[in-house]
Amino acid sequence: AQSVTQPDIHITVSEGASLELRCNYSYGATPYLFWYVQSPGQGLQLLLKYFSGDTLVQGIKGFEAEFKRSQSSFNLRKPSVHWSDAAEYFCAVGMDSNYQLIWGAGTKLIIKP
Amino acid sequence: DAGVIQSPRHEVTEMGQEVTLRCKPISGHNSLFWYRQTMMRGLELLIYFNNNVPIDDSGMPEDRFSAKMPNASFSTLKIQPSEPRDSAVYFCASTLGQVYNSPLHFGNGTRLTVT
Repeated sequence: AQSVTQPDIHITVSEGASLELRCNYSYGATPYLFWYVQSPGQGLQLLLKYFSGDTLVQGIKGFEAEFKRSQSSFNLRKPSVHWSDAAEYFCAVGMDSNYQLIWGAGTKLIIKP
Repeated sequence: DAGVIQSPRHEVTEMGQEVTLRCKPISGHNSLFWYRQTMMRGLELLIYFNNNVPIDDSGMPEDRFSAKMPNASFSTLKIQPSEPRDSAVYFCASTLGQVYNSPLHFGNGTRLTVT
């Protein structure tokens, strides 16, 4: 069965440091991959997505993600985090239907001043 | 663009009471989703509407849950009777077309507490 794993429940990073959030998926076909961010008390917002082509995709707010088929991974990165990046980050995979997404459990990012 | 609007933001009710959550999607969007978020189960799709028609309600937990979309600008999720295990944050999201081509736009959610 299709699944998405975000192995880190929470991550603490110092402001200005680099960030990498991990996402692994299990899916038989070419996946549609997404990263969404949820700020406290708000809904989710799309950061970036991958469908095909260049495996390094750029998103909003300075985030990027790299699709690695051999590792079934789609890790999210940012070279230098800001305090405003403190939020929960969700990885999602598109299934065969055109509306169903499988969501990871989320990774909560904590920024140290 | 006001975004997806949900009301109320918070709802506290007693077990057995009826609860109605409301959603106004972004104008022009033809797909609407109701999600439930809990610590234990994460984000779960409850129901999906396309052009006001329910397409997939397999995620609705049980008959106590019902959802309607009488027109393109309004949807409700009703729980009757409510139970403590229904306590969660309920999100409405909308998009134009397929979620693979167009991002989901989420409302700020309704935090439901059933005592």
